[in-house]
Amino acid sequence: GDSVTQMEGPVTLSEEAFLTINCTYTATGYPSLFWYVQYPGEGLQLLLKATKADDKGSNKGFEATYRKETTSFHLEKGSVQVSDSAVYFCALSDDKIIFGKGTRLHILP
Amino acid sequence: DAGVIQSPRHEVTEMGQEVTLRCKPISGHNSLFWYRQTMMRGLELLIYFNNNVPIDDSGMPEDRFSAKMPNASFSTLKIQPSEPRDSAVYFCASSLRDGYTFGSGTRLTVV
Repeated sequence: GDSVTQMEGPVTLSEEAFLTINCTYTATGYPSLFWYVQYPGEGLQLLLKATKADDKGSNKGFEATYRKETTSFHLEKGSVQVSDSAVYFCALSDDKIIFGKGTRLHILP
Repeated sequence: DAGVIQSPRHEVTEMGQEVTLRCKPISGHNSLFWYRQTMMRGLELLIYFNNNVPIDDSGMPEDRFSAKMPNASFSTLKIQPSEPRDSAVYFCASSLRDGYTFGSGTRLTVV
């Protein structure tokens, strides 16, 4: 069945560092791809999405490109802030949404 | 729009008791999903509905769990009897096409 694999955390970076969180997927069809973010004690919020190959999703300085040839959707940000500390989930959607296990990100001031 | 509304936010119950979690989806959304989140297993899809009809309940862990969606504006997830291993955060989400919105979750503790 469809699945999502993302890098295990926690990831700890200093403020203003470059961030990459890797995500790869397995799917039989042509799913949409998502990144969700979860802040402590809250539900999941959509961060960005891409619906077809080569699409780039972007929001709040984060971006990810739908790469069909490598079945990847890596999340990047050029300069992270302390407020970016959260858990990040990669996900795919065909008829239902399937999540990776999440990557906890700590940003040190 | 108020978003997806879940109640209660927190529930503490004794083992063996019945627990009912509630969800009000966003008006106009035609799909509704129930997820369970734990440290060990991450986010697990329990069941989802499309136009109030259960489509896939293969994630429901056992017969103690049941879910209903009597109309487009309300869904329940029931656990009877509850067990300590059911302790988790339960999320409801609704969607229209590719737009998924999550509620704030219900933190369930079974003692």
